[in-house]
Amino acid sequence: DQQVKQNSPSLSVQEGRISILNCDYTNSMFDYFLWYKKYPAEGPTFLISISSIKDKNEDGRFTVFLNKSAKHLSLHIVPSQPGDSAVYFCAASKRGNNRLAFGKGNQVVVIP
Amino acid sequence: DGGITQSPKYLFRKEGQNVTLSCEQNLNHDAMYWYRQDPGQGLRLIYYSQIVNDFQKGDIAEGYSVSREKKESFPLTVTSAQKNPTAFYLCATQTGPNGYTFGSGTRLTVV
Repeated sequence: DQQVKQNSPSLSVQEGRISILNCDYTNSMFDYFLWYKKYPAEGPTFLISISSIKDKNEDGRFTVFLNKSAKHLSLHIVPSQPGDSAVYFCAASKRGNNRLAFGKGNQVVVIP
Repeated sequence: DGGITQSPKYLFRKEGQNVTLSCEQNLNHDAMYWYRQDPGQGLRLIYYSQIVNDFQKGDIAEGYSVSREKKESFPLTVTSAQKNPTAFYLCATQTGPNGYTFGSGTRLTVV
């Protein structure tokens, strides 16, 4: 059973515009959320994270928003750049459990 | 230069053969993980190990085996019992309380 869900598998956006990726989770015990970025034939790299005690975390062009009541988080990339073209994975974990649950990923294509 | 080394980068296997994928880390991390990525399937956990000489099955362990004889090494064997082994395999270590560092992956193809 998929505990972390990423719908809309692909997204195309013009360079300079905002990219918004959405992620929903079903397990209310999750208390830490992460986004990873992956290029083809490479391993994912950590992008940004958020704890359940916050509703927003910002790092440069990347902002993650968390809505606990809706069990929903989103990643905003603004402005989008061609180098942002990659697959983005949403992941979640719960206190005391080292395992991360991953979503299926979103393919982002930034058009120059 | 600390990190995770996966080898080989590309691997071809004949039907019925066992193959072993290497994962070595010099990050001194205790926990290590093996994931498989298929198109549209995301990352699925095969096996993980929290400490030397101990490992647990993940969500799709059938047809795979692992060992953890050293802290630095967590090899994955894809056996002939794995019916659809063609995939991209990723090894990871636990970076901190809630994060992973991934290797660069091994692409396994059955020919």
